[in-house]
Amino acid sequence: DTAVSQTPKYLVTQMGNDKSIKCEQNLGHDTMYWYKQDSKKFLKIMFSYNNKELIINETVPNRFSPKSPDKAHLNLHINSLELGDSAVYFCASSLRDNSYYEQYFGPGTRLTVT
Amino acid sequence: GQQVMQIPQYQHVQEGEDFTTYCNSSTTLSNIQWYKQRPGGHPVFLIQLVKSGEVKKQKRLTFQFGEAKKNSSLHITATQTTDVGTYFCAGLVAAGNKLTFGGGTRVLVKP
Repeated sequence: DTAVSQTPKYLVTQMGNDKSIKCEQNLGHDTMYWYKQDSKKFLKIMFSYNNKELIINETVPNRFSPKSPDKAHLNLHINSLELGDSAVYFCASSLRDNSYYEQYFGPGTRLTVT
Repeated sequence: GQQVMQIPQYQHVQEGEDFTTYCNSSTTLSNIQWYKQRPGGHPVFLIQLVKSGEVKKQKRLTFQFGEAKKNSSLHITATQTTDVGTYFCAGLVAAGNKLTFGGGTRVLVKP
């Protein structure tokens, strides 16, 4: 009965590779997010999609490309991975059409670039 | 851009003692949310405050939203080892806008 799931949980790869992280939510939410959490635990939003439409696009290198095939899925593709991309990436979802915007986070994907 | 600051960054607490963590925004907020992240886990929503001066309690946790809606606090009484984790506040400037997370307060409990 996982609400927000991410795959893979761990990802170890070499610099220069391309990788993808997948996220799915079964909560019926209309908005999904990608966050990056660095080693100091800072949580920074990267992207947000509402009903498959990109609504938040923070200052993120264009090597990062999100894709939302439908409301329940939001994937993140990263090209030409760099050492600084090592972090935990969290997917989250929420309902945007009411006043309570609590976000439900996935378990995270720990990306290590060597 | 909007900034949300949290202090302290680290909090070492003796089991049974009380402590408070503070959250300050550079801009007036529409609402503020609090999340808890256990070590190795993911952020979990605790509560949302909307009204100026609002106070909400969850068992040993008391959350407060400042009168000017630019600051908030979380007070935990009689700390237990289960309180270990990082507590984040997150501010929302306007409806539908993005949440801006504070840097978090990492709580360590000494038994």
